[in-house]
Amino acid sequence: AQRVTQPEKLLSVFKGAPVELKCNYSYSGSPELFWYVQYSRQRLQLLLRHISRESIKGFTADLNKGETSFHLKKPFAQEEDSAMYYCALEGNNQGGKLIFGQGTELSVKP
Amino acid sequence: GAVVSQHPSRVICKSGTSVKIECRSLDFQATTMFWYRQFPKQSLMLMATSNEGSKATYEQGVEKDKFLINHASLTLSTLTVTSAHPEDSSFYICSASRGQSYEQYFGPGTRLTVT
Repeated sequence: AQRVTQPEKLLSVFKGAPVELKCNYSYSGSPELFWYVQYSRQRLQLLLRHISRESIKGFTADLNKGETSFHLKKPFAQEEDSAMYYCALEGNNQGGKLIFGQGTELSVKP
Repeated sequence: GAVVSQHPSRVICKSGTSVKIECRSLDFQATTMFWYRQFPKQSLMLMATSNEGSKATYEQGVEKDKFLINHASLTLSTLTVTSAHPEDSSFYICSASRGQSYEQYFGPGTRLTVT
């Protein structure tokens, strides 16, 4: 079965601290993985996708097929990073369907 | 950028009535649109996928006769919740993409409350 797991509902860190939001997936093929972010009172938006291998707003995520993980990392958290973060998976030949994890609320304290 | 709108943003309806939610892609042609449901503090659950000019494909457990989806044009998809019940109260979100494997752009969501 296809599944995305984000084990942490809430992650609270201080400004300047490193951040890692965990994401594990279950999929038999080669999926495409994404991180979406939802800032307060705003719509969901794409943060980054694994195939682009880029850093957005200081965030990076590496797909680890051996561990079936796609953790999101940032070396120095900023207060404006506070938001809900969703990890999502798109399977092969699935018509673009996304399966979302439960979401992790990141709170960056001053 | 690509903008997706939803209308209404909030709606309250009485039990047994039907309510229609619109999803529009404002500046691009959306071959594919997706409808999600989100419960408080929970993830987005995909309800159905609609391709322009075709019947929607519903996820397992989603009643197609209750949640009617129409994608009649490349810029508009509608979700009609028929004979609504209080348990249908939720946040409904749509997304639109230019096609399979293209980025999905999300709407702001519609808060449905059934009394």
